[in-house]
Parts: sequence; C-alpha cells; structure tokens
Amino acid sequence: SQKIEQNSEALNIQEGKTATLTCNYTNYSPAYLQWYRQDPGRGPVFLLLIRENEKEKRKERLKVTFDTTLKQSLFHITASQPADSATYLCARDSNYQLIWGAGTKLIIKP
Amino acid sequence: DVKVTQSSRYLVKRTGEKVFLECVQDMDHENMFWYRQDPGLGLRLIYFSYDVKMKEKGDIPEGYSVSREKKERFSLILESASTNQTSMYLCASSTAGGVNEQFFGPGTRLTVL
Repeated sequence: SQKIEQNSEALNIQEGKTATLTCNYTNYSPAYLQWYRQDPGRGPVFLLLIRENEKEKRKERLKVTFDTTLKQSLFHITASQPADSATYLCARDSNYQLIWGAGTKLIIKP
Repeated sequence: DVKVTQSSRYLVKRTGEKVFLECVQDMDHENMFWYRQDPGLGLRLIYFSYDVKMKEKGDIPEGYSVSREKKERFSLILESASTNQTSMYLCASSTAGGVNEQFFGPGTRLTVL
C-alpha cells in the first residue's frame, strides 16, 4: 500500500533561517504531491502542488522539490517568521484520493 | 471567499447515540470528503462522494455512513457512537477531475463518553 512518511519530531528553527521539511513516499511515484499547512484546531489549508515531471515549484517564500530517485519531496520556507509556526502536511495521490502524512510541527523561534 | 462549514466545532455524545455531522460547501464542488484525524496518524479517509447520491468507501468506513442529497451538503452519520470514534472530523471539498486541492472545514472535535 502507498505510504507517506514525515518526520514526527518537531522542527525548531531560528527566525530568518530556512526551514526544510521532508516527505518520503513508498512504492511507485505519485503523479502529484501536495503540501498543506494546519494550525491548531483548524482544518488544513492548501499551499502547493508539484507534479511528477516538475523538479521544483515556488510560491513567494515557499519552495517544493520532487525527487523521484530518492522518493522524496522537500518543502522549504525561506526567511522564516514566527507566523510560519504550524504543522505542515504532505499528501500524495492514489486512485483519485489523497494519502496523507502525519505532518511535521514547525516552530520558528524569534 | 470560498467556504466549507461544519455544523459543530465541539460535540460530546454518549456511547450508543446516533450522531450526525453536517458539512456544507459554497464552491459548487463535485467532490466531498470526510476524514478523521488522530494524533500521529494523519488524515484517514472515511468516505467520499463525487456526485449527488454517490458515495465511495475510504480506508476506514466501518461504523460510519454518509448521505449526499444535495451537491453542497455531505453528512457523516455514526450509527451507534463508540468511544474509539472520539476524534477530530474534517470535511473537505474539491473540483472534479484528477486529484485537485482540497478545501477543508474547521473540523468537529467529537468526544464519545
């Protein structure tokens, strides 16, 4: 079965630095990977989608990469701010549904 | 501003009760989804619907049923609530065709005593 693995430990980053989150998948490469942000007590909010044939996607301070050799996607936040603190979820497509990782909690310290 | 709303933010029920969770979207989306989210497990799909009166089982449908009588509304029903159904329930919607971004409601935190 398809799985998505994200680091379950919280990631602590100093404000202004680049935060990098990892998403690993198993079995065959997904056609898409999606990244969402979730704040405590709220539903996830879509951030970025990257396709299998795209190596990199950017949106403002966000960058996502897709490496089919490593079976991995990296999510970068540059010039991080305390307001970026949240849990970030990665999801892959599978039979017209999404398979979700458990998320990585990011804490940006002022 | 696009919106997915859920009928309750917090709900406390007793074991054996029938529980209804309602979800409404105003984006004219074809697809609607019900997930539950538990710590360390990520989002798990309970049911989804790609059209009115259509439904498909997700990964964990046991103990749940759904209803979609109108395009904008998708209901999750717990026929006889049990303590292991204590969880955060999230509704989402998306447009048809492929795996598109999903728009989520605020969630309902259900506690079954």
